Amino acid sequence: NAGVMQNPRHLVRRRGQEARLRCSPMKGHSHVYWYRQLPEEGLKFMVYLQKENIIDESGMPKERFSAEFPKEGPSILRIQQVVRGDSAAYFCASSPTRAGDTEAFFGQGTRLTVV
Amino acid sequence: AQSVTQLDSQVPVFEEAPVELRCNYSSSVSVYLFWYVQYPNQGLQLLLKYLSGSTLVKGINGFEAEFNKSQTSFHLRKPSVHISDTAEYFCAVTISGGYQKVTFGTGTKLQVIP
Repeated sequence: NAGVMQNPRHLVRRRGQEARLRCSPMKGHSHVYWYRQLPEEGLKFMVYLQKENIIDESGMPKERFSAEFPKEGPSILRIQQVVRGDSAAYFCASSPTRAGDTEAFFGQGTRLTVV
Repeated sequence: AQSVTQLDSQVPVFEEAPVELRCNYSSSVSVYLFWYVQYPNQGLQLLLKYLSGSTLVKGINGFEAEFNKSQTSFHLRKPSVHISDTAEYFCAVTISGGYQKVTFGTGTKLQVIP
């Protein structure tokens, strides 16, 4: 059973370009969470998705950021018109249920660098 | 809202010595408590969790943590560290009965010195 797969592992974008980050959850997991880790900081919740639904996007910046988890395929975190401040590690986690007492399995992250 | 405080950003310790990483939390509702470890350029791995019951929780790699409700603490301990324990450790909470929306502390970097 493969773990949570994120790609690419490293992504370099120029200011103003778009960044697309992909997350394939573990097999059988239909709950996906995205977190952002800024340098020297802990992870901050961004968004929680179930298949085809956004459940909680309270941590998402109001502009330029969007997320989806289609019926087929990976979850996508999309950042439009990237700025230097978007440089961070973005982690995806998945779980088999929505319950807060179950373990969320994390991917290795995508490290976005905006130049 | 919940918050997690890890006062020590870095903890150096000699190999085979004991270590304690401190974690305090704040919440107006009941929470579940977790410790995660992050090795360089890797994702997070669950070390242990406290849901209910016995306040002393044992995890992987010889780590344990004790939940103290009165002090709102969940400190992580290991009696004898190894070089391989060098990593960053995150304390985290979720709302009891809620979903997997995790609030993390800022992390403690454990540096094991040979």
